[in-house]
Amino acid sequence: AQTVTQSQPEMSVQEAETVTLSCTYDTSESNYYLFWYKQPPSRQMILVIRQEAYKQQNATENRFSVNFQKAAKSFSLKISDSQLGDTAMYFCAFMKPKETSGSRLTFGEGTQLTVNP
Amino acid sequence: NAGVTQTPKFQVLKTGQSMTLQCAQDMNHEYMSWYRQDPGMGLRLIHYSVGAGITDQGEVPNGYNVSRSTTEDFPLRLLSAAPSQTSVYFCASSYLGINGNTIYFGEGSWLTVV
Repeated sequence: AQTVTQSQPEMSVQEAETVTLSCTYDTSESNYYLFWYKQPPSRQMILVIRQEAYKQQNATENRFSVNFQKAAKSFSLKISDSQLGDTAMYFCAFMKPKETSGSRLTFGEGTQLTVNP
Repeated sequence: NAGVTQTPKFQVLKTGQSMTLQCAQDMNHEYMSWYRQDPGMGLRLIHYSVGAGITDQGEVPNGYNVSRSTTEDFPLRLLSAAPSQTSVYFCASSYLGINGNTIYFGEGSWLTVV
């Protein structure tokens, strides 16, 4: 079974600064997907960024980027120019390929990020 | 497009009562799933379906039943509610496109069992 670990229960950052959230995972699969989801107080699940394990290049979406280290099984999220609206719980998630997963996600415990003015 | 629609959004149940959480998607997705989120935790998979007529158990299936009679609908049934089932429930649907899996979540259903 896969496991996903987020070792930082809470983090804070000043507005406009950069913050990195950590995630490690354990799997015997060679191909898989990794995700970061944002959950604001409304509890809506918002996809932030996605990485496919077979791609060497780190994914980037505007101010959000990842550092994917496949050998180390690490998948950190960097948020640049932090904004007050980034305040939320962030979840790291793992998914095996469609053929063996049925699109099932395994989530980490989450990191509560607070952006301070 | 409505996306993934969950009803009800809020529900209070008494211990021992039964109820059904409804989930519908209008995107013709083959995969659907139910998760629960307990305080301070990530989402955990309850049941999932890879197509109409096909369902399977996830990580925490006890106390819940599902069925998938149509592509659009995937209801979650609580057979005899217990306080331990107090949680936020999320339904999700997905498809595998050329850019990989894309997963859509409903807005969540808050369930309290007293």
